[in-house]
Amino acid sequence: DVKVTQSSRYLVKRTGEKVFLECVQDMDHENMFWYRQDPGLGLRLIYFSYDVKMKEKGDIPEGYSVSREKKERFSLILESASTNQTSMYLCASIGSRYNEQFFGPGTRLTVL
Amino acid sequence: ELKVEQNPLFLSMQEGKNYTIYCNYSTTSDRLYWYRQDPGKSLESLFVLLSNGAVKQEGRLMASLDTKARLSTLHITAAVHDLSATYFCAVVNRDDKIIFGKGTRLHILP
Repeated sequence: DVKVTQSSRYLVKRTGEKVFLECVQDMDHENMFWYRQDPGLGLRLIYFSYDVKMKEKGDIPEGYSVSREKKERFSLILESASTNQTSMYLCASIGSRYNEQFFGPGTRLTVL
Repeated sequence: ELKVEQNPLFLSMQEGKNYTIYCNYSTTSDRLYWYRQDPGKSLESLFVLLSNGAVKQEGRLMASLDTKARLSTLHITAAVHDLSATYFCAVVNRDDKIIFGKGTRLHILP
């Protein structure tokens, strides 16, 4: 019954490291999203993609990039991790008709 | 710019009581979602509301959408402790971004 998976549940990295967060969905969804969730701030959209090789900036794209080489996979990249990127990262996908949206289990990233 | 506001942000209530969480949004949209999140867990989809007047019910939870008022409600009937969680609404904007409210932390006292 797996729908959306994320590569790690917990990750600890050092400042300046390059970090890759992977998300895979098995529902053939066109649209995929990366959010971060912080206490008191709710979920904030970082990037989303509506097709392979397509990407759109969300509300807080600074310090992040993304890659969508295959339909089922959407990667979030922190080029040079900083402590203010310590957060819970959630990936989600949704079909083109924008019905139910499914979330991955989340990756809790700590940057030291 | 689409803004989504939920209230209350925190709610503590007794078991057996009824209550309503409100979700207001600032620009036209015809798609609204409700999610539940348990501590340390990801988001679980509860309802998808796609048209004005839509009403959906699952157990003790009922969601409705009024697109003219730009308002959705999540009504809890005869609350039980298991419903303690954080509830989010989210709205799709014209660019197909999904914008979330800040969430309502619901604490149901046994």
